[in-house]
Amino acid sequence: DAEITQSPRHKITETGRQVTLACHQTWNHNNMFWYRQDLGHGLRLIHYSYGVQDTNKGEVSDGYSVSRSNTEDLPLTLESAASSQTSVYFCASSEGQGHGYTFGSGTRLTVV
Amino acid sequence: GQQVMQIPQYQHVQEGEDFTTYCNSSTTLSNIQWYKQRPGGHPVFLIQLVKSGEVKKQKRLTFQFGEAKKNSSLHITATQTTDVGTYFCAGRSNDYKLSFGAGTTVTVRA
Repeated sequence: DAEITQSPRHKITETGRQVTLACHQTWNHNNMFWYRQDLGHGLRLIHYSYGVQDTNKGEVSDGYSVSRSNTEDLPLTLESAASSQTSVYFCASSEGQGHGYTFGSGTRLTVV
Repeated sequence: GQQVMQIPQYQHVQEGEDFTTYCNSSTTLSNIQWYKQRPGGHPVFLIQLVKSGEVKKQKRLTFQFGEAKKNSSLHITATQTTDVGTYFCAGRSNDYKLSFGAGTTVTVRA
């Protein structure tokens, strides 16, 4: 069965370190998204991609970057981790504009 | 930019009772989606509404899209313990990106 997987599930890192969160989907979806979830803020869009070599900034992109070298993967990199980036990160994919998003199980990141 | 507001933030419901959660956008939406997130889980897509005034039902859940396509509601009848979780609306405007509300977290008293 097709799926979307995130790794790691939990990560503790130190302030200033570079961290990469993985997202891999086997749905063959062109559209992929990264969100962060914090209490009281719902889901906020970090970066998104509509296809290979396409990346776009979301509403909270500062300090984050993504790359899309193939259809299946959209890794999220925190250039220099900050305590404000402690959050739960969700990756999602979608078949297109008229379809819902399929979310991964999330990565809980703690920056100490 | 587009903002989607959801109320109430928390809903404490007696098992068997009905409740409604509301979603309001500052701009006209092309469509709106609803998701459910169980405690400790990830959001799961429930439904999408596209047409002005559209009403869709899924068992005890009724979803409605406002006539002006700026608001939506989710009504749950005869609440069960399986309804526990956070319900998010997500509106899509002309820039095609989804904007999520902050969610309504539902707890059920048995």
